[in-house]
Amino acid sequence: NAGVTQTPKFRILKIGQSMTLQCTQDMNHNYMYWYRQDPGMGLKLIYYSVGAGITDKGEVPNGYNVSRSTTEDFPLRLELAAPSQTSVYFCASSYEGQRYGYTFGSGTRLTVV
Amino acid sequence: GENVEQHPSTLSVQEGDSAVIKCTYSDSASNYFPWYKQELGKGPQLIIDIRSNVGEKKDQRIAVTLNKTAKHFSLHITETQPEDSAVYFCAANSGYSTLTFGKGTMLLVSP
Repeated sequence: NAGVTQTPKFRILKIGQSMTLQCTQDMNHNYMYWYRQDPGMGLKLIYYSVGAGITDKGEVPNGYNVSRSTTEDFPLRLELAAPSQTSVYFCASSYEGQRYGYTFGSGTRLTVV
Repeated sequence: GENVEQHPSTLSVQEGDSAVIKCTYSDSASNYFPWYKQELGKGPQLIIDIRSNVGEKKDQRIAVTLNKTAKHFSLHITETQPEDSAVYFCAANSGYSTLTFGKGTMLLVSP
């Protein structure tokens, strides 16, 4: 099992550009999440999904979009990138028997200049 | 919604000493409290958790305690080792499957 795989690991975007952060898991987990991590601020929930075709907003969803067409994939879309979106993004997944025991990916470090 | 406060933000100890990290939560409906360890350049990893029907849980050198009345929970690491150096996050469940995290504690264990 590869677990949770995130790509790319690093990316520099210019203001106004768009990009998609990829996340895939091979554990057949129903639940998937996107968090952002800013220095000294912990992890903030952006979006989450409880299954294919179902997504919901977290604490900081503005400027982002998600889709969940398959159990395995949960991409995060940034439209019109802004400097405030400079952060480290983590994707995570969990399953029904351990809903809160997340498996995290290794993160994507995004810089918007 | 849930709010989780974590202290201290940084903690330096000598190898062999104990380390304690404390968290408080606001939502009395929360009933699951995990702790995650994040090593440099990696994603957080679940190291231990506690449910609201349990007051204490141990796993080798790591223990967690929970005081539901005071809405406090703590992580205790005994006989610290350099490999314990990392950022530790506490969290509380805040929805059907979502977690609210504290801001993290950077633990540095000096040889």
